[in-house]
Amino acid sequence: NAGVTQTPKFRVLKTGQSMTLLCAQDMNHEYMYWYRQDPGMGLRLIHYSVGEGTTAKGEVPDGYNVSRLKKQNFLLGLESAAPSQTSVYFCASSYWTSGGSNHEQYFGPGTRLTVT
Amino acid sequence: GENVEQHPSTLSVQEGDSAVIKCTYSDSASNYFPWYKQELGKRPQLIIDIRSNVGEKKDQRIAVTLNKTAKHFSLHITETQPEDSAVYFCAASMGSARQLTFGSGTQLTVLP
Repeated sequence: NAGVTQTPKFRVLKTGQSMTLLCAQDMNHEYMYWYRQDPGMGLRLIHYSVGEGTTAKGEVPDGYNVSRLKKQNFLLGLESAAPSQTSVYFCASSYWTSGGSNHEQYFGPGTRLTVT
Repeated sequence: GENVEQHPSTLSVQEGDSAVIKCTYSDSASNYFPWYKQELGKRPQLIIDIRSNVGEKKDQRIAVTLNKTAKHFSLHITETQPEDSAVYFCAASMGSARQLTFGSGTQLTVLP
């Protein structure tokens, strides 16, 4: 049981390049989330998904797109990278319970992205 | 949307002393309040959480208190140890997808 994994761990992009970050979870969780973390700041929600085939915008969605074609995977895309997108990206997942009692999110190890 | 403020941004304590970190939130619909510990270069790790129907929760040296009326919650660490040194984040959760809004973090340093 690997939990939440992220690929790649590190990446350097030039301005204008595109890339996709992959998040995978093997816990059969319904909910998945993408956050970014900048120095001196907490994590900020980019996009999230409540199930396969669904996505929604979070607090800072501009410049990013996401897809959830399979329940276990949540992809974050940068179509035209900008230096302002230099950050550490964390993926998380959470499971649904009837009555909505579960809130805990399980985090991946992060991807450090630098855009020059 | 929700807004979470966290204080202080840095905190230094002597080993064995207590540490207190405070957070306030803006949306009364928030109903779950986790605290995460993050060591340098690592992922956030949940250390304790509290739901809106509970006023206090304890787990060994760590406790969290919640005042729903005032919309604030606090993390208390007693008998601090050097391995408690890390960045601590509070968060508030609301919405159908349990979205988390994080505070800006507190760098805790425990001096030996």
